[in-house]
Amino acid sequence: GQQLNQSPQSMFIQEGEDVSMNCTSSSIFNTWLWYKQDPGEGPVLLIALYKAGELTSNGRLTAQFGITRKDSFLNISASIPSDVGIYFCAGQPGPSGTYKYIFGTGTRLKVLA
Amino acid sequence: DGGITQSPKYLFRKEGQNVTLSCEQNLNHDAMYWYRQDPGQGLRLIYYSQIVNDFQKGDIAEGYSVSREKKESFPLTVTSAQKNPTAFYLCASSIQGAYGYTFGSGTRLTVV
Repeated sequence: GQQLNQSPQSMFIQEGEDVSMNCTSSSIFNTWLWYKQDPGEGPVLLIALYKAGELTSNGRLTAQFGITRKDSFLNISASIPSDVGIYFCAGQPGPSGTYKYIFGTGTRLKVLA
Repeated sequence: DGGITQSPKYLFRKEGQNVTLSCEQNLNHDAMYWYRQDPGQGLRLIYYSQIVNDFQKGDIAEGYSVSREKKESFPLTVTSAQKNPTAFYLCASSIQGAYGYTFGSGTRLTVV
């Protein structure tokens, strides 16, 4: 099945550092979502993007919908220990109104205090 | 509070036995999904259902079965035909449109 490519696959950073990760696809998506999964829990939606070029923030998190519609980026500023987890991107390839999303392979973030 | 509930949180099964994982939502969502997550892996779609009494296979449906008799419920049965059933199983639901999924907290299945 189709999956999105996320990079990096994992990263260790020091507390207070900024983090950047991205998600790429070979096909165009109409919606991009970013989720965070804490260990042993289900993913929780962080940010949703609906338009090419859109830049949206949620606290220390900022995400962008790439202008080619084939990629998306997530930045976390001034990381803290509770940022640890797996970050997934998800894209909706169909027109608005379809249900199915394609998920990325995840970026595993570890923050060193 | 509206949400999606998976039970149990942890489940142990003997080889050769079928086991059913529960997923219930009170969000009035039309669509429901089952994903499998293995250590260090992403989410792989097992089955999904857009309306009651209808469901479609995902990418890894072999060895699994589902039913959708009620809008609120979408149980997943892991059958003895599933060769590597030990994994973390996530249920999700959504409404039509670009609003993403709401996930449950998952069930960790271990075959002993």
